[in-house]
Amino acid sequence: AQSVTQPDIHITVSEGASLELRCNYSYGATPYLFWYVQSPGQGLQLLLKYFSGDTLVQGIKGFEAEFKRSQSSFNLRKPSVHWSDAAEYFCAVAARRSGGGADGLTFGKGTHLIIQP
Amino acid sequence: NAGVTQTPKFRVLKTGQSMTLLCAQDMNHEYMYWYRQDPGMGLRLIHYSVGEGTTAKGEVPDGYNVSRLKKQNFLLGLESAAPSQTSVYFCASSYSSGTVRNEQFFGPGTRLTVL
Repeated sequence: AQSVTQPDIHITVSEGASLELRCNYSYGATPYLFWYVQSPGQGLQLLLKYFSGDTLVQGIKGFEAEFKRSQSSFNLRKPSVHWSDAAEYFCAVAARRSGGGADGLTFGKGTHLIIQP
Repeated sequence: NAGVTQTPKFRVLKTGQSMTLLCAQDMNHEYMYWYRQDPGMGLRLIHYSVGEGTTAKGEVPDGYNVSRLKKQNFLLGLESAAPSQTSVYFCASSYSSGTVRNEQFFGPGTRLTVL
């Protein structure tokens, strides 16, 4: 079974500074990888996804992530954060199913991002 | 397009009471999912459905039942609520084929408290 680790429970970044949120996954093959963001009291919004091809993927709101197979990582980055980026960020993995079907996403426990003025 | 909607938004139950959470999607998605979110635990899959009339267990199915009588609706039932089921419940849906398979769209959540 797949698993996801987000090593940082909380991260504090100054507004305008760069950001990197870490995500490591465990899966026997190349997985589908996702980053979601959750604002307080809200549902989850997809930031970006990796299925195949270029290992650097661009997402919404200026975010990007890089898939590194050798490190089993899919870290999320943003060059300059804004106060509105304060939220909970979740990395998730889905198993590839050659015969169809879906068994849902496996989520990390999340990283809470705090933006300092 | 409303996307994924959930009813109700909030609910307080007493131990032993029953209730049903409703999820509806208007994107003609084949797959639907129920997750629960607890502090420090991320989201965990309860049950899912790959089509009308089919359901399957996820990671934490005990104490819950589901039904998918119509393609657009996915119901989550608690027959006898327990305090351990206090959580925020999220419904999600996705397409069934192509590279967008597994890209899930989430509802706004239902906050359930069991006293």
